[in-house]
Amino acid sequence: GAGVSQSPRYKVAKRGQDVALRCDPISGHVSLFWYQQALGQGPEFLTYFQNEAQLDKSGLPSDRFFAERPEGSVSTLKIQRTQQEDSAVYLCASSLVVWDEQLFGPGTRLTVL
Amino acid sequence: DQQVKQNSPSLSVQEGRISILNCDYTNSMFDYFLWYKKYPAEGPTFLISISSIKDKNEDGRFTVFLNKSAKHLSLHIVPSQPGDSAVYFCAASGFTGGGNKLTFGTGTQLKVEL
Repeated sequence: GAGVSQSPRYKVAKRGQDVALRCDPISGHVSLFWYQQALGQGPEFLTYFQNEAQLDKSGLPSDRFFAERPEGSVSTLKIQRTQQEDSAVYLCASSLVVWDEQLFGPGTRLTVL
Repeated sequence: DQQVKQNSPSLSVQEGRISILNCDYTNSMFDYFLWYKKYPAEGPTFLISISSIKDKNEDGRFTVFLNKSAKHLSLHIVPSQPGDSAVYFCAASGFTGGGNKLTFGTGTQLKVEL
């Protein structure tokens, strides 16, 4: 496909469970961003990759959150020991170069029970 | 600390009229501003952007105005169409060398009525 894709689209987890969210950016896009969007709020920055290098992880809310992009394309956001406050939509965005407009995927809606 | 604010959670306009969505920011380091549109269950879609060296940018029915001294920007949609009904997010960035991360407002729900 031509756009950013994310999987799964919906995830329900029991509190304490680990989850992994996948992002497939647009082919050739160097920059990849993860955002968290809580209900009724705007997206909030989590972390940024330039190719395989994670250059900014200042938005990750705790050490339970971990992101990787080992080959500079697909990225995975992992959340360990999920808590109810982790319930949100997790959005991935990519851009061709770092100063280009970010194009967003459809998001993964995570619900922690 | 909300660095980007959209004070109107909702706006209703009639089809064919002008829609004006407003956004204020507090961080003087922001130098690039964007508007995204979001439908339910979809990711935000890029609409239009403006650099801080400009005060206006136009793309078809969409125009963004930037007033740097007031730290205010607005999105004008004219004429408004029913398909424009969506949540609109204002976003800002300032390149710091670590990425072009966006700071978003809380969004304005636009409803265009027939």
